[in-house]
Amino acid sequence: GQNIDQPTEMTATEGAIVQINCTYQTSGFNGLFWYQQHAGEAPTFLSYNVLDGLEEKGRFSSFLSRSKGYSYLLLKELQMKDSASYLCAVSGGYNKLIFGAGTRLAVHP
Amino acid sequence: GAVVSQHPSRVICKSGTSVKIECRSLDFQATTMFWYRQFPKQSLMLMATSNEGSKATYEQGVEKDKFLINHASLTLSTLTVTSAHPEDSSFYICSARTVKGIDTEAFFGQGTRLTVV
Repeated sequence: GQNIDQPTEMTATEGAIVQINCTYQTSGFNGLFWYQQHAGEAPTFLSYNVLDGLEEKGRFSSFLSRSKGYSYLLLKELQMKDSASYLCAVSGGYNKLIFGAGTRLAVHP
Repeated sequence: GAVVSQHPSRVICKSGTSVKIECRSLDFQATTMFWYRQFPKQSLMLMATSNEGSKATYEQGVEKDKFLINHASLTLSTLTVTSAHPEDSSFYICSARTVKGIDTEAFFGQGTRLTVV
């Protein structure tokens, strides 16, 4: 079966660092994606991990441990515009992308 | 990056009518497109996988006779919601993937907000 877990909601302060965790159990694994989604809009790509370790892209970093079925998204120097939902998605068999329920992040001044 | 265009962005229809949503890959050929549905404050639920020139593969619980998917060309897939009911009101999003080695980013259309009245 497919199971992708993320916290439902998180809050953080502007300028701070926040880590959003994702655990997964899927029938196939070809990589893990993180997407950002603002309300009423389509998701936008943030990061992709297929090998263990940390991928850094500016203020965003993503980590993957395949043996533990675990990933996290790290957001640094938080800005108000980072308030959004963050979706963890696993690429499994047949090129499908299966999404977790998403984590709603609220950034406060 | 690659661009996926989805149309219309919003549609309101009467109960019992059908609505067609188009998804186009503008600058690449997408042999596979995916259709998702998203209810408020919930994540994207995969409805079906659309393969060019063949029948779509539907996820469990998705009625294939109600949600008709056609992938007539490498750049166009359509989703038709037939005999729409108020409970079909949702946000529908298509995506297409490019395969470049191990880099298989999925690009999303803008989404279609369907309201059935």
